[in-house]
Amino acid sequence: KAGVTQTPRYLIKTRGQQVTLSCSPISGHRSVSWYQQTPGQGLQFLFEYFSETQRNKGNFPGRFSGRQFSNSRSEMNVSTLELGDSALYLCASSLNFGANVLTFGAGSRLTVL
Amino acid sequence: GENVEQHPSTLSVQEGDSAVIKCTYSDSASNYFPWYKQELGKRPQLIIDIRSNVGEKKDQRIAVTLNKTAKHFSLHITETQPEDSAVYFCAASRGNNDMRFGAGTRLTVKP
Repeated sequence: KAGVTQTPRYLIKTRGQQVTLSCSPISGHRSVSWYQQTPGQGLQFLFEYFSETQRNKGNFPGRFSGRQFSNSRSEMNVSTLELGDSALYLCASSLNFGANVLTFGAGSRLTVL
Repeated sequence: GENVEQHPSTLSVQEGDSAVIKCTYSDSASNYFPWYKQELGKRPQLIIDIRSNVGEKKDQRIAVTLNKTAKHFSLHITETQPEDSAVYFCAASRGNNDMRFGAGTRLTVKP
């Protein structure tokens, strides 16, 4: 059974640009959550998607958005990138909304110059 | 919102000794408490979890205890091995996937 797949694994952008990250959950998992990991702030919840609907949202500005497709794959987008957006973005899938047992992907490491 | 504090931030033990990591949470509605292990350059992996209707759970060398009254939970690793060296994160949630994570504990097991 394939795990959680995130693409791209690494990317470099400049301030003001936008970026789209992709996440394919474990087959059969319907919930996808996104987390930002930085040395200073640790692991912070961005949002959760289930059945193509955002179910929960963390405390991030509106520049951070996401969506989920009918096959449960999810994308997150960050617009008008800032230096502070440099981080490891982790996607986690779980069987259902509220199932709690999260399986993380390897992450997308974003560097903003 | 939920606030999770984790101590210590670093922990160094000799191989074979026990390691204990403690977390406190603020939201009394939290009912799910997982622990994740993250090795250098790798993804966080769930190692054990506990729900609020249980006080203790064990899985081989790993155990977690939960004190709902005091709002704290702890990870216990016995007979530590060098491969236990990693960063460990505790988390708390209200039953959704909005996990609030502790800041992490870097555990080093010296051979």
